[in-house]
Amino acid sequence: GDSVTQMEGPVTLSEEAFLTINCTYTATGYPSLFWYVQYPGEGLQLLLKATKADDKGSNKGFEATYRKETTSFHLEKGSVQVSDSAVYFCARRDSGYALNFGKGTSLLVTP
Amino acid sequence: EAQVTQNPRYLITVTGKKLTVTCSQNMNHEYMSWYRQDPGLGLRQIYYSMNVEVTDKGDVPEGYKVSRKEKRNFPLILESPSPNQTSLYFCASSLGARGQAGELFFGEGSRLTVL
Repeated sequence: GDSVTQMEGPVTLSEEAFLTINCTYTATGYPSLFWYVQYPGEGLQLLLKATKADDKGSNKGFEATYRKETTSFHLEKGSVQVSDSAVYFCARRDSGYALNFGKGTSLLVTP
Repeated sequence: EAQVTQNPRYLITVTGKKLTVTCSQNMNHEYMSWYRQDPGLGLRQIYYSMNVEVTDKGDVPEGYKVSRKEKRNFPLILESPSPNQTSLYFCASSLGARGQAGELFFGEGSRLTVL
């Protein structure tokens, strides 16, 4: 199966709503985990990362915790803004350099 | 400004007409990679390069070639493009040292249409 599985979108939320985007990974080795964000018309950019179990990555109000017991790295934000509308990609990296990406989750935040 | 630059950003071509998408990074990164992004499939790696003169196939290399003659440049070559290569292409680079956590820096993308 896929090495990274994330919830399918699109996700539509009202401004100030709570956001969760689920991501699970295959439990082989000790991967580093990432969330990337792609704003309309742009390339991907790193949002946050975690390199070992129980690490919490955070940036711009987004958080994700590396959960080894559930092989998950869910992305959360307490209060989304219209400017958060984008596509979010979960990714894992093993001992090499290549990143394996999930298929992406589109988020639309409405005023 | 640290960046990955791709050209062209948009291209419409016809089946069989060779084309090259250039990629250049100014961060002295060792690792460079090409991805294609397609609806419902996410990002898939085409080729990557660990350093100058070292390239290797990713998940979907068929129909593509690359070269890495200089550290900063990593062009993607489509010798005989076909319609199934219509896609959005991203070049990315990374510092590459094993001590790094592997952040990839992406270009802005090249949208290719093959008629």
